[in-house]
Amino acid sequence: SQTIHQWPATLVQPVGSPLSLECTVEGTSNPNLYWYRQAAGRGLQLLFYSVGIGQISSEVPQNLSASRPQDWQFILSSKKLLLSDSGFYLCASSEGDVRYEQYFGPGTRLTVT
Amino acid sequence: KQEVTQIPAALSVPEGENLVLNCSFTDSAIYNLQWFRQDPGKGLTSLLLIQSSQREQTSGRLNASLDKSSGRSTLYIAASQPGDSATYLCAPSSGYSTLTFGKGTMLLVSP
Repeated sequence: SQTIHQWPATLVQPVGSPLSLECTVEGTSNPNLYWYRQAAGRGLQLLFYSVGIGQISSEVPQNLSASRPQDWQFILSSKKLLLSDSGFYLCASSEGDVRYEQYFGPGTRLTVT
Repeated sequence: KQEVTQIPAALSVPEGENLVLNCSFTDSAIYNLQWFRQDPGKGLTSLLLIQSSQREQTSGRLNASLDKSSGRSTLYIAASQPGDSATYLCAPSSGYSTLTFGKGTMLLVSP
């Protein structure tokens, strides 16, 4: 079965600073990868998804970006953080077929101060 | 755009009760639907996956049903235990397996 790793687990960053969150997946090849954000009092929101290396689709326009340099690696970045970027960031993975379920990583808690 | 509603938002029951969590979605063109649980400060744990062609899926004390045409799914938990306390999320799947989440039902099972 798939195992998803995320780091760091928690992060406190000042407004205007850069961001890099990393997600790696093992136990599967050529997965679809996803970044979700869970803000306080709100549901999980899909930010980006990727069906292959270098292929990124954005669901919500914002100051965040994503990259997939390796088949098993998904990175979420920002050049300048906003207060509204605070939240719980979750990476997920699924087999490249709509019949299969998504598995989630442990998440990164980001607080922008 | 898919919208997902979960009712009730919160539920408190004594141990041993059977309970039903409800999920409704606006766009019936889904591939499947997943139910997850989330413990405070943790990631999501997949509970059940129902394909769009299925009506029910069972795992242990959990049973999920899907009525795709009416945009509804229910999660039935039998003989609830304190360890079932968590937030339960439903998420129908659209293209590229992208999930749309409801806000969840927060369940508290007291001993």
